[in-house]
Amino acid sequence: RKEVEQDPGPFNVPEGATVAFNCTYSNSASQSFFWYRQDCRKEPKLLMSVYSSGNEDGRFTAQLNRASQYISLLIRDSKLSDSATYLCAVNLGINDMRFGAGTRLTVKP
Amino acid sequence: GAGVSQSPRYKVAKRGQDVALRCDPISGHVSLFWYQQALGQGPEFLTYFQNEAQLDKSGLPSDRFFAERPEGSVSTLKIQRTQQEDSAVYLCASSSRLGGAYEQYFGPGTRLTVT
Repeated sequence: RKEVEQDPGPFNVPEGATVAFNCTYSNSASQSFFWYRQDCRKEPKLLMSVYSSGNEDGRFTAQLNRASQYISLLIRDSKLSDSATYLCAVNLGINDMRFGAGTRLTVKP
Repeated sequence: GAGVSQSPRYKVAKRGQDVALRCDPISGHVSLFWYQQALGQGPEFLTYFQNEAQLDKSGLPSDRFFAERPEGSVSTLKIQRTQQEDSAVYLCASSSRLGGAYEQYFGPGTRLTVT
C-alpha cells in the first residue's frame, strides 16, 4: 500500500457544483496534513492546512478522520478557476512530507 | 517578499553528463527540501537540510545524486552521469520551521530532460 493515496480522477464537474476529494495515509503517527493546488506545469501552492477539528476557508473545507486515516477536501460552488490538480501532503517522519499523486479537477462552464 | 527561486528553469542534458540545479530559498527559511516530480505523479522527497546540515538524504535514488547547502541558504542538487530515468521536474521547497511537518513553499522547479 502506498504511503499516501489519492483517487487520480479526473473529476469533471459543471460550474457551481460541489466536489469532494479524499486522501488516505498509512502512518497512524502522522501529525500534519495539507492540501496543495498545482496548476499545469507550475509548482504546488499551499491551499490549506488540515486541522483535527476540520477547517474552512471560503468555499473550501478540509477534514481529518484519524480513525480511518484519511483527509478530505470539499469545494463548494466550484469555479472555472478551480481547475487544477489537488495534492494531499502528510508528514511521515520528522523530516519528510509525502505527497499523493494528485487528483485532477476540471470545472466546465 | 521574494519567493523560492530555482535555476535553470529548463535543462537538457545528454546521457552521461553532469548537471547542477540551484535553489534560492525564501530569505531566513531554515528548512530546505528537494523533491523529484515525474509526469502525472506527486513530488517525491529527495533530501532535507536544516540550515547547512543535511539531516535526511533517504530519498536520493542513487549515489549519483548529491546535494549541498554549505552556508545554510542557497542549495545545489548535483546529478552525475545523468540517465534517462532522471528526466523529471526537480522542485525545491523551503520552510521557516524546523522539520517536515509544517507548510512548505515551493520554487518553480527545474525541468530536466535527459536525451
